[in-house]
Amino acid sequence: KAGVTQTPRYLIKTRGQQVTLSCSPISGHRSVSWYQQTPGQGLQFLFEYFSETQRNKGNFPGRFSGRQFSNSRSEMNVSTLELGDSALYLCASSLDSSGYGYTFGSGTRLTVV
Amino acid sequence: GQNIDQPTEMTATEGAIVQINCTYQTSGFNGLFWYQQHAGEAPTFLSYNVLDGLEEKGRFSSFLSRSKGYSYLLLKELQMKDSASYLCAVRDTVTGGGNKLTFGTGTQLKVEL
Repeated sequence: KAGVTQTPRYLIKTRGQQVTLSCSPISGHRSVSWYQQTPGQGLQFLFEYFSETQRNKGNFPGRFSGRQFSNSRSEMNVSTLELGDSALYLCASSLDSSGYGYTFGSGTRLTVV
Repeated sequence: GQNIDQPTEMTATEGAIVQINCTYQTSGFNGLFWYQQHAGEAPTFLSYNVLDGLEEKGRFSSFLSRSKGYSYLLLKELQMKDSASYLCAVRDTVTGGGNKLTFGTGTQLKVEL
């Protein structure tokens, strides 16, 4: 079966702009989580959505937001981009709350210039 | 919160065995993951331990001791393709359930001839 699909793979944006990233989970998976990965901080949890509701949230500013649609696809939005937002953004999906099958997508590489 | 420690770098010889340690201090614990990540790629699931003990999967084994806040990943019969970053991640206990992982900064393993 298809894995977790993230689009686009690469993105270059200018400071101050906003960006929307997309994640399509594995078919049947209802939980979608987002992470930011940078060389200095490693992988950091942004938020998790389950059945269209945000269930958990990390320690990121309000410029980072997300949503989940009825088909479990999720989008993440970053407004007023800063240079420090340059990172690999990864999403992970799982069937439920058990943690089993927690699978990552290939990520979106965002560069802010 | 969670604090996760793992060595930054390790070097081993092809065909040998290597053990990557991970220690954690947590305010809640709901399982521990190991992921492999090659440069520029998504993290790939290796193992998930919820209960104490050893889980074996081919050349890879993972051990967990919840009372000691300790886990290790054992890689046998090392191959050059095993050169990668190995990420230890703790699944937090969160109100209302859900999947929120806290990651260590990763151990960069280099396999040499």
